[in-house]
Amino acid sequence: AQSVTQLGSHVSVSEGALVLLRCNYSSSVPPYLFWYVQYPNQGLQLLLKYTTGATLVKGINGFEAEFKKSETSFHLTKPSAHMSDAAEYFCAVRPMDSSYKLIFGSGTRLLVRP
Amino acid sequence: GAGVSQSPSNKVTEKGKDVELRCDPISGHTALYWYRQSLGQGLEFLIYFQGNSAPDKSGLPSDRFSAERTGGSVSTLTIQRTQQEDSAVYLCASREWAESYEQYFGPGTRLTVT
Repeated sequence: AQSVTQLGSHVSVSEGALVLLRCNYSSSVPPYLFWYVQYPNQGLQLLLKYTTGATLVKGINGFEAEFKKSETSFHLTKPSAHMSDAAEYFCAVRPMDSSYKLIFGSGTRLLVRP
Repeated sequence: GAGVSQSPSNKVTEKGKDVELRCDPISGHTALYWYRQSLGQGLEFLIYFQGNSAPDKSGLPSDRFSAERTGGSVSTLTIQRTQQEDSAVYLCASREWAESYEQYFGPGTRLTVT
């Protein structure tokens, strides 16, 4: 079964600092990969996705992620954190079955210090 | 346009009672998903609908959980004889068509079983 591991349940950065949220997946074949963000008391919003093609994908709000097959990783980065980035971030994979359901990691809460 | 809506936003129920949670997907979205977000289990898939049929029910945790979808639109998740471990946020998501990747999430229903 496919799984997703997010290292660090909480990450704290200063405003303006680099944001790095880690995601590793287990899969026998490269899956489709996603990052979602969840603001307090809201649903999940898609930040970016990797399906095929270019391994560096850019998303909304200045975030990007790079798919590295050799490392089975899909880490999320943003060069300069903003206070509004404080939220919970979920990495997800879409197994290659017909349901297109998502398998989520346990989430990383990003705290941004002024 | 309108997003995915869920009702109620909060539900408190006594152990042993039945509850119904409702999801209104985005108009025209043929695929609908239910997920559960809880402290102990993270974000987990429950059930997938394509139209009115549910080809993937693999995530339903017990036979106390059931779901239906009517008219290819509204879906209801029913939990019978609720237990305290059912306390969680239940999220609904919809997707436009077979080859699209993005699932659009509703704000969720927070269920508390006392």
